[in-house]
Amino acid sequence: SQQGEEDPQALSIQEGENATMNCSYKTSINNLQWYRQNSGRGLVHLILIRSNEREKHSGRLRVTLDTSKKSSSLLITASRAADTASYFCATDWYSSASKIIFGSGTRLSIRP
Amino acid sequence: DTGVSQDPRHKITKRGQNVTFRCDPISEHNRLYWYRQTLGQGPEFLTYFQNEAQLEKSRLLSDRFSAERPKGSFSTLEIQRTEQGDSAMYLCASSPSGEETQYFGPGTRLLVL
Repeated sequence: SQQGEEDPQALSIQEGENATMNCSYKTSINNLQWYRQNSGRGLVHLILIRSNEREKHSGRLRVTLDTSKKSSSLLITASRAADTASYFCATDWYSSASKIIFGSGTRLSIRP
Repeated sequence: DTGVSQDPRHKITKRGQNVTFRCDPISEHNRLYWYRQTLGQGPEFLTYFQNEAQLEKSRLLSDRFSAERPKGSFSTLEIQRTEQGDSAMYLCASSPSGEETQYFGPGTRLLVL
């Protein structure tokens, strides 16, 4: 079973626009991560936010975390064609310090 | 060291055959993970090693699946008597102790005919 669910499942935007993806999860967490996966390839870590943090930035990425609502959002500003990929949130598993559980992902397409 | 490597990248096999995949983690990463990913879904956790010890196994890992990490470096994942439902991408990841970020390999795509 998957802990996180991303919304929307698919998103298509024009190059230069901002993209926002949301993730909801079910149980208490210590941290939440976002990963990117280009078509048919392995995952690349983007950013990690801890449960005591509310917002974090990395380049064009901005992540928020609301533990009261058990939700997170990933904002990509000034999108580029190279941002076309699937984006997954991943939460640590409360009973296991090392295991992370992935959501089902948002497929982002950037139109030129 | 350029990252996690997996071999082979693609494998086509017939139902009932055994297959073995290899993962070489980033040097000195003592944690190693295996995941399975089907089309349109996120990776599903299969198993986790700390050094050579297999510390967790998912219920997804039926008795046809076995994973080893004999010397705490590379790992192998074997699937015996493959079924069509085993067709998926098998991903390996590694991380150093104390770090939550996992570093993924390119995956092995398995197709069972």
